[in-house]
Amino acid sequence: DTGVSQDPRHKITKRGQNVTFRCDPISEHNRLYWYRQTLGQGPEFLTYFQNEAQLEKSRLLSDRFSAERPKGSFSTLEIQRTEQGDSAMYLCASSLLYIRNTEAFFGQGTRLTVV
Amino acid sequence: AQKVTQAQTEISVVEKEDVTLDCVYETRDTTYYLFWYKQPPSGELVFLIRRNSFDEQNEISGRYSWNFQKSTSSFNFTITASQVVDSAVYFCALSLYNQGGKLIFGQGTELSVKP
Repeated sequence: DTGVSQDPRHKITKRGQNVTFRCDPISEHNRLYWYRQTLGQGPEFLTYFQNEAQLEKSRLLSDRFSAERPKGSFSTLEIQRTEQGDSAMYLCASSLLYIRNTEAFFGQGTRLTVV
Repeated sequence: AQKVTQAQTEISVVEKEDVTLDCVYETRDTTYYLFWYKQPPSGELVFLIRRNSFDEQNEISGRYSWNFQKSTSSFNFTITASQVVDSAVYFCALSLYNQGGKLIFGQGTELSVKP
């Protein structure tokens, strides 16, 4: 499978715990994006990387959130001290910047439930 | 500020009917891209089309067609002879040329096609 892969697909955690999600982009894609989607809403941009550099972070990304893409390949999104308001679907997407940016392809998402 | 509005929250049609999903966008930039994505119950966002702001030609792909009108800032999506498999949430999105490919999504339109 050469699409965007996310792990885990589902995560249930207790409030206050830390969680980490992983995203493996399409192999030749140099841009990687994280979005958050709550029920009945469109995805909202969180952050993006070009290779290993994190180029932009949304104001939605509080200090409890951190994202990395250490070798310009896979990425992780960590949420510390989870709150019930963090319950959402976390989507990863990747695209290729070569002269111009291609369209983004999305993974199936990680659904987080904080209880 | 940039914004995408999909005024239709839910649409229900009977199989073989034609259906149009509306999308209105706001931006002051002159170079931008518009997208449509489909989100089936599995959760993965599936890319359907991208148009750039300089190309107002309508596009047809099988039963799908798109009407881009800069004069009204609209990018509407029509499904001809709808099928049950078209049931999904459809998102319209906007990306600005100089913003790294990040997408600004509308709230989505849930399409239900009944047999």
